[in-house]
Amino acid sequence: QKEVEQNSGPLSVPEGAIASLNCTYSDRVSQSFFWYRQYSGKSPELIMSIYSNGDKEDGRFTAQLNKASQYVSLLIRDSQPSDSATYLCAVFGGATNKLIFGTGTLLAVQP
Amino acid sequence: EAGVTQSPTHLIKTRGQQATLRCSPISGHTSVYWYQQALGLGLQFLLWYDEGEERNRGNFPPRFSGRQFPNYSSELNVNALELEDSALYLCASSLALQLAGANTGELFFGEGSRLTVL
Repeated sequence: QKEVEQNSGPLSVPEGAIASLNCTYSDRVSQSFFWYRQYSGKSPELIMSIYSNGDKEDGRFTAQLNKASQYVSLLIRDSQPSDSATYLCAVFGGATNKLIFGTGTLLAVQP
Repeated sequence: EAGVTQSPTHLIKTRGQQATLRCSPISGHTSVYWYQQALGLGLQFLLWYDEGEERNRGNFPPRFSGRQFPNYSSELNVNALELEDSALYLCASSLALQLAGANTGELFFGEGSRLTVL
């Protein structure tokens, strides 16, 4: 089992729709959870962090965490073509003591 | 304020040679992470330095090594290069572990060094 798993996509959504990206992790004592965005040919950039169960909203982005289910998600409301990128889920594991990335989900927002 | 800087941007080596990649963190950041991003494989954790000490290393052979200098810059060395070492090597920095606390994992990435092994 991979430490952090994501569907590789591509996930295609029309402009203005809600994009839903999902991630599961294996380390039960993981402490911190992150979403990074990586445009093609660029380096990753942090867009959201979440540390406790529930939802965290920042503009058009909402991160959701369910530690019991070992599940993290990212919702992007009113998706724009500029949101087209690979979204990387990252988990800082209490047991592993390192930040592990999933392989990313490619999001394509169609104009 | 300058971001994370990496050098060289591109590096071409042949099998068996050694490669040295360098990274300067954001001012005030004392934690440096190294990741390998090979085509289609995502970011693979290599090394984590925090205030001069190696905190953790990923599942890579010993020919991948590094160090962090007193000014918190860092160097990644890859010895006995193999074809499969061809990848983008990303450096990222963050606040010191003891300052970051629960925010450990909020990384700022450089643009990477692309290593090609022929």
